[in-house]
Amino acid sequence: EVQLVESGGGLVQPGGSLRLSCAASGFTFSSYVMHWVRQPPGKGLEFVSAVNTHGSSTYYANSVKDRFTISRDNSKNTLYLQMGSLRPEDMAVYYCARGIPYNWNPDSWGQGILVTVSS
Amino acid sequence: QSALTQPASVSGSPGQSITISCTGTSSDVGGYNYISWYQHHPGKAPKLLIYDVSNRPSGDSNRFSGSKSGNTASLTISGLQAEDEADYYCSSYTSSTTPVVFGGGTRLTVL
Repeated sequence: EVQLVESGGGLVQPGGSLRLSCAASGFTFSSYVMHWVRQPPGKGLEFVSAVNTHGSSTYYANSVKDRFTISRDNSKNTLYLQMGSLRPEDMAVYYCARGIPYNWNPDSWGQGILVTVSS
Repeated sequence: QSALTQPASVSGSPGQSITISCTGTSSDVGGYNYISWYQHHPGKAPKLLIYDVSNRPSGDSNRFSGSKSGNTASLTISGLQAEDEADYYCSSYTSSTTPVVFGGGTRLTVL
């Protein structure tokens, strides 16, 4: 069974940093692209970032480019999202998602973790 | 990176069928048969319903079906049930600067 478990969320002040982790199990992690997708309060799902299987290609939404960094450690079956210069509008539930290898669309999702940006 | 366009809400009575549309461009929905649909109950993980326009994950309900015409994809839910009340999202592979784009979401109300 595919399992994706996010951790590292919480309350952070504007301008602060936070690192999210996603522990993957139940599948060959290194064979799948991976995503971070977020849902701000009262809004829809929003692509944040994605990484290819090797970690050599990364993609970002314009709203987080130059502030967030996605990475993966295939030896630890773990996906990361380093978030910096956080803004109130970054407040959301962040989901880790596995991507279908040939078309990138997510096919399995974690339960999500809340990031609150507030002073 | 514009989101795909979905109606904000749809509704139907138990037993009826409803269709949710997802409109994009030739750079995403119209250009590839890589459209997925998700069901999202608040507080839970989104669930994949349809992939590659019309394929269902094995073992999933055949009450959910997908199709595409031009730049618009559609999700049809037949035999509506109370538990179908949820938010529904489409996503598509895109040739833009990000590999995937999501729709804005549609809230389904079962009357």
